[in-house]
Amino acid sequence: GDSVTQMEGPVTLSEEAFLTINCTYTATGYPSLFWYVQYPGEGLQLLLKATKADDKGSNKGFEATYRKETTSFHLEKGSVQVSDSAVYFCALSDLDGQNFVFGPGTRLSVLP
Amino acid sequence: DAGVTQSPTHLIKTRGQQVTLRCSPKSGHDTVSWYQQALGQGPQFIFQYYEEEERQRGNFPDRFSGHQFPNYSSELNVNALLLGDSALYLCASSLLGISGNTIYFGEGSWLTVV
Repeated sequence: GDSVTQMEGPVTLSEEAFLTINCTYTATGYPSLFWYVQYPGEGLQLLLKATKADDKGSNKGFEATYRKETTSFHLEKGSVQVSDSAVYFCALSDLDGQNFVFGPGTRLSVLP
Repeated sequence: DAGVTQSPTHLIKTRGQQVTLRCSPKSGHDTVSWYQQALGQGPQFIFQYYEEEERQRGNFPDRFSGHQFPNYSSELNVNALLLGDSALYLCASSLLGISGNTIYFGEGSWLTVV
């Protein structure tokens, strides 16, 4: 079945450092890809998404590009802030847009 | 516009008991999905409801059941609770049949089984 693999955390960075969180997927067909963020004590919030190959999703300084050839959707940010500390989940959905499969999450801690 | 709302926020149950969790979808959404998120893990798909029927189901036992009402709200029921059922239960709402569909999550119900 479909699956999502993320780099293991926790990831600890200093403020203004560059962030990369790796995500690769296995899926039949051409899924849509997502990054969700979960702040402490809260539910999941959509961070960005891409629906087809070579699409780039971006939001709040975060970016990720849908790479079909490497089945990857790595999350990047050029300069992280303390407020970015959270757990980040990579996810895919099938063509129907209903069945979501999540990765295990990567905890990011940004130190001032 | 209210987003996805869930209740209760936290609850503690004893092993063997039954629990009901509730969810109201985002306005305009017709589909409700339930996920279980164990501590330190990603959400796992339990099932999805559309037009008051279970449309898809993940790899969860029959102890997990649900219901969707005509106003699209939904309930998740878990019978014969086990310690391993302790988790954050997330409700998500969406519109059926839209590729690249964005699903919206509630803040979840924390269930502790003792």
